[in-house]
Amino acid sequence: GQNIDQPTEMTATEGAIVQINCTYQTSGFNGLFWYQQHAGEAPTFLSYNVLDGLEEKGRFSSFLSRSKGYSYLLLKELQMKDSASYLCAVSLAGKSTFGDGTTLTVKP
Amino acid sequence: EAEVAQSPRYKITEKSQAVAFWCDPISGHATLYWYRQILGQGLELLVQFQDESVVDDSQLPKDRFSAERLKGVDSTLKIQPAELGDSAMYLCASSLSGSGTYNEQFFGPGTRLTVL
Repeated sequence: GQNIDQPTEMTATEGAIVQINCTYQTSGFNGLFWYQQHAGEAPTFLSYNVLDGLEEKGRFSSFLSRSKGYSYLLLKELQMKDSASYLCAVSLAGKSTFGDGTTLTVKP
Repeated sequence: EAEVAQSPRYKITEKSQAVAFWCDPISGHATLYWYRQILGQGLELLVQFQDESVVDDSQLPKDRFSAERLKGVDSTLKIQPAELGDSAMYLCASSLSGSGTYNEQFFGPGTRLTVL
């Protein structure tokens, strides 16, 4: 079976750094995606990790530890527009299982 | 820039009526997904197509939901009869290939269904 856990909600201040965690227990694993979803909109791709370590892309970085079944998304220099839901998804054999998402609220 | 198209964007219907949603994936994408997202919750995969074949419909309520992708391009999701609990956002996504290890999904804008 697939079990993916993320915190339901997080709040952070504009300009700060926030880390959104994702833990998973799955029957297999090819890679892990992070998507961003603004309220009322469709998810959009942020990152993909297949190997252990940190992938950096501008203000956003994603980390993966396959042995621990753990990933995090790191958002730096937070902006108000970063207020959104962040979904992690475990990929296996062409299928992605999504967590319920973490709703991030950025406050001034 | 290529996008996944969905229509309608919004649909209001009464319970027991039939509704249908349409999705046109990015050209060349072999894999097409239909998801349901109830407000404030995660994505629930309803059905996954590889070309014209269904590869996963384990979460599709088959007594009322049906999906087809006859020519392996666009797809239709139907609900008959609609129930109050079907009110949700229905998202379509496509990826280049579902059989490999990398299957970044591109999402359409969704159809927001309200059942009264």
